[in-house]
Amino acid sequence: NAGVTQTPKFQVLKTGQSMTLQCAQDMNHEYMSWYRQDPGMGLRLIHYSVGAGITDQGEVPNGYNVSRSTTEDFPLRLLSAAPSQTSVYFCASTELGGGSYNSPLHFGNGTRLTVT
Amino acid sequence: EDQVTQSPEALRLQEGESSSLNCSYTVSGLRGLFWYRQDPGKGPEFLFTLYSAGEEKEKERLKATLTKKESFLHITAPKPEDSATYLCAVNRAGTYKYIFGTGTRLKVLA
Repeated sequence: NAGVTQTPKFQVLKTGQSMTLQCAQDMNHEYMSWYRQDPGMGLRLIHYSVGAGITDQGEVPNGYNVSRSTTEDFPLRLLSAAPSQTSVYFCASTELGGGSYNSPLHFGNGTRLTVT
Repeated sequence: EDQVTQSPEALRLQEGESSSLNCSYTVSGLRGLFWYRQDPGKGPEFLFTLYSAGEEKEKERLKATLTKKESFLHITAPKPEDSATYLCAVNRAGTYKYIFGTGTRLKVLA
């Protein structure tokens, strides 16, 4: 089982460039989410989705777009990269299981993004 | 406002020296409290879920407990391989959002 797969592992962008961070999961999880992790700030939720075609904003959504066309994939788009978006990005998924919504998140190994 | 606070920020232990990590939370309607371990350069790895006050879970040298205001992760006779950052998170009833603390960096010296 691959679990949650994120690509690329590392990326360097110049200010103003755009890119897409990829996330795929093979566990048939309805819920998928993106977090950023910065020193001293912990994991902060950017966007999440509870199923194909359904997305919503988290705590820090500005500068990021998402879409969910399939259960397996949940890409994160940076439209115009800024140095403030330098961070480690994690994708996480879980099952929603009959409405209980209390299953643990399963994480990928992250994408380390530097914006210069 | 929902909040998760972990202490201490960092902890150094000698091998075999037992200790506890704290996770204090303020959330309206706790649905679940989660402990994760994170190694450098990796994503968080799930350890435990606790659902109600009084609940305890154990795995090898780790034991997690839960009260109405906080959770403890007890580490008994730690080994150097237990060195990692330990994260705590909560999930509030009525939302799909998981709220994380900033973690405790544990270093176990041989």
